[in-house]
Amino acid sequence: NAGVTQTPKFQVLKTGQSMTLQCAQDMNHEYMSWYRQDPGMGLRLIHYSVGAGITDQGEVPNGYNVSRSTTEDFPLRLLSAAPSQTSVYFCASSYSRAGQPQHFGDGTRLSIL
Amino acid sequence: GESVGLHLPTLSVQEGDNSIINCAYSNSASDYFIWYKQESGKGPQFIIDIRSNMDKRQGQRVTVLLNKTVKHLSLQIAATQPGDSAVYFCAESFSQYGNKLVFGAGTILRVKS
Repeated sequence: NAGVTQTPKFQVLKTGQSMTLQCAQDMNHEYMSWYRQDPGMGLRLIHYSVGAGITDQGEVPNGYNVSRSTTEDFPLRLLSAAPSQTSVYFCASSYSRAGQPQHFGDGTRLSIL
Repeated sequence: GESVGLHLPTLSVQEGDNSIINCAYSNSASDYFIWYKQESGKGPQFIIDIRSNMDKRQGQRVTVLLNKTVKHLSLQIAATQPGDSAVYFCAESFSQYGNKLVFGAGTILRVKS
């Protein structure tokens, strides 16, 4: 049972490049979400999904796109990378009901030059 | 979440002592609270949770206390061990928003041997 798997673990991009951060879970969780974590700060919600075909914006959605075509996968796309998007990105999954513990991946460390 | 700058509060304790980590939450309507532990290079890991209809919940070596009057949450770790060294985050959610979490900035716990 792999839990939540994020790829890649590290990535360096140039300003203006696009890329997709991958997230997959094998726990049949309906709810999946993306967070970013910046130095000295807690995690901030970028986008989330309550099931296949349903996505919504979180606190800091600008510059990011998501889609949810399957229950297992929830990719995060950076459309045109900017230095302000340098961060550590975490994907999480859980059952949808409020109060369900979220399971996190080990993150993707992204640097934008 | 609001930025609290680059410097997280740090709690240094001697191995074997008890630790108390505090958190002030923001939304008086929040009805579910969680503590996460994050080790270096890893994603957050669920420790313990509590619902707003409770004021105390105990786990293995950990206790969470909730004071809704002053919107304060604390995590007590008994007989702190070197393996407890990590960053600890509190998070809150409001069930009408499903399983969306709002994270605090975090506290660094350092255990001295």
